[in-house]
Amino acid sequence: QVQLVESGGGVVQPGRSLRLSCAASGFTFSTYGMHWVRQAPGKGLEWVAIIWYDGSKKYYEDSVKGRFTISRDNSKNTLYLQMNSLRAEDTAVYYCARDTYCSSTTCSIYFDYWGQGTQVTVAS
Amino acid sequence: DIQMTQSPSSLSASVGDRVTITCRASQNIINYLNWYQQKPGKAPNLLIYAASSLQSGVPSRFSGSGSGTDFTLTISSLQPEDFATYYCQQGYSTPSTFGQGTKLEIK
Repeated sequence: QVQLVESGGGVVQPGRSLRLSCAASGFTFSTYGMHWVRQAPGKGLEWVAIIWYDGSKKYYEDSVKGRFTISRDNSKNTLYLQMNSLRAEDTAVYYCARDTYCSSTTCSIYFDYWGQGTQVTVAS
Repeated sequence: DIQMTQSPSSLSASVGDRVTITCRASQNIINYLNWYQQKPGKAPNLLIYAASSLQSGVPSRFSGSGSGTDFTLTISSLQPEDFATYYCQQGYSTPSTFGQGTKLEIK
């Protein structure tokens, strides 16, 4: 069965860095686009970033552009989110999610499987 | 960016009721509209994709409709397990955006 397991969250001071991981299993990871979606405490869902199945394309939400980097290692079936220059407003549960379908030029941009989430808290 | 506006923000209903949640996009998104259910402390769960297609394993009491800018999620007969928060999400363009959510509570 499809499983996505995030790790790497924690408490970090403003301005510092953190790297999240998402270990995938139960499907052919290298053929699916992947996303990060976050949810601040008591708030709604916010899309963060997408990476194509082969890593050829990446897109970001404006507030994280230039600070966050999405990447993947298809040999390890793992998705990453490198988060630099963290701010208090980045505090959230971060979910990885699978896109249902990507071609070489477009992805469906909806999410059929989600991980359980990892908490990131940015505080001094 | 495309703004997604859901209404109502919260809703009280009883088991067996028919419930409708609406979602409006700030521009034409054709049918690139998806609905999710989220229960407290859990990841969201895909219910409807492409405005009206039922995700595998989702009960048939859930249905979606609409196109262009106006969309609806309908639950035909509420069950106890349906009390949760519902989100719409546009997949027309990046950045993808979600509605603010509709919290469905027991009356």
